[in-house]
Amino acid sequence: AQTVTQSQPEMSVQEAETVTLSCTYDTSESDYYLFWYKQPPSRQMILVIRQEAYKQQNATENRFSVNFQKAAKSFSLKISDSQLGDAAMYFCAYKEDSGYALNFGKGTSLLVTP
Amino acid sequence: NAGVMQNPRHLVRRRGQEARLRCSPMKGHSHVYWYRQLPEEGLKFMVYLQKENIIDESGMPKERFSAEFPKEGPSILRIQQVVRGDSAAYFCASSPPQRSYRDGGYTFGSGTRLTVV
Repeated sequence: AQTVTQSQPEMSVQEAETVTLSCTYDTSESDYYLFWYKQPPSRQMILVIRQEAYKQQNATENRFSVNFQKAAKSFSLKISDSQLGDAAMYFCAYKEDSGYALNFGKGTSLLVTP
Repeated sequence: NAGVMQNPRHLVRRRGQEARLRCSPMKGHSHVYWYRQLPEEGLKFMVYLQKENIIDESGMPKERFSAEFPKEGPSILRIQQVVRGDSAAYFCASSPPQRSYRDGGYTFGSGTRLTVV
């Protein structure tokens, strides 16, 4: 079974600064998808960014970008110019190419300070 | 477009009672997935349903839990004889009938927080 590990239970960043959240995963598959989800206090799960394993180029979405290292099975999320609204739980997730179930890590709680 | 609607948002049940959680998928979505989030944990897959069919229930506890997605109406996750360990947030996600789940084209609801007292 694939496992997703987020080694940072909590992270803190000052407004306007940059923070990187770590994620590693274990799989024997070559084709798969990786995701970062944001869960604010409202509990809504919001997709932040998605990466296809067959793409070498790192995905970016505005202030959010990833560092995807396939050989190292690492998938970190970088948040630039952090805003107060970025404070939330962030979950890394894995999905097999032909599968449908998402495997989530335990999450990283991000605190943004003024 | 109302998104994925889950109700109730909060549900309190005494040990031994039944809990019924409802999920109305987004308009045009006929695939529904249920996930459970235990305290301090990530979401865990429970079951995948299409209209009138259970496709994969490999993540469902063997006893007391059941799910359905009838031809008409919302998907229901039912927990019989609840115990304290069932306390968790239960999330529903939906996707369109084509395989857009292939690229993770899900929309999640805001979850139902079940508390068993």
